[in-house]
Amino acid sequence: DVQVVESGGGLVQPGGSLRLSCAASGFTFISYWMHWVRQVPGKGLVWVSRIKGDGSRITYADSVRGRFTVSRDNAKNTLYLQMNSLRAEDTAVYYCARGTISGASYFDHWGLGTLVTVSS
Amino acid sequence: DIQVTQSPSTLYVSVGDRVTITCRASQSINNWLAWYQQKPGKAPNLLIYEASSLETGVPSRFSGSASGTEFTLTISSLQPDDFAVYYCQQYHTDATFGQGTKVEIK
Repeated sequence: DVQVVESGGGLVQPGGSLRLSCAASGFTFISYWMHWVRQVPGKGLVWVSRIKGDGSRITYADSVRGRFTVSRDNAKNTLYLQMNSLRAEDTAVYYCARGTISGASYFDHWGLGTLVTVSS
Repeated sequence: DIQVTQSPSTLYVSVGDRVTITCRASQSINNWLAWYQQKPGKAPNLLIYEASSLETGVPSRFSGSASGTEFTLTISSLQPDDFAVYYCQQYHTDATFGQGTKVEIK
């Protein structure tokens, strides 16, 4: 079965850093674009970033560009999100989501999410 | 940026009702639109992609349609398990979600 499992969330002070991980299993990881999507509890979904299977193409939402870095280790079947210069408005549940092989950015498998809280 | 405007924000319905949720894109997105269902405390679940293609395992009472930049999710006969929040999402350029529609018991 396809599974993606996020980890690394927690409480961090404004201006701080955090690295999220997403462990994938049950599919050929290198073949798929992978994405991060976030959701403030009780609010809507916001796409954050995506990375192509071989890591050669990366895109970010305007709200995180220059502060967040997405990467992947295909040998470990793991996706990462390095978050720097964190702000209160980055507080959210962060989901790892599988995209497609073709690059179409819809998401057929999601993790349970990991909560990031930015607060002093 | 492409915006998607979803309506209504809340829908009060009864089991067995036909439910229609609409999304309008700010420009042509060539049917690159998906629909998701989200229940409290859970991750979203893909229902429809490419405006009208039903994801494997999703009940056939869910359907999607498109007319220009207007997209519709229809639940033909609402079941108890269908009370949830529904989101549309365009993926023509990056990805943008609609604001969500909460389907509640009347």
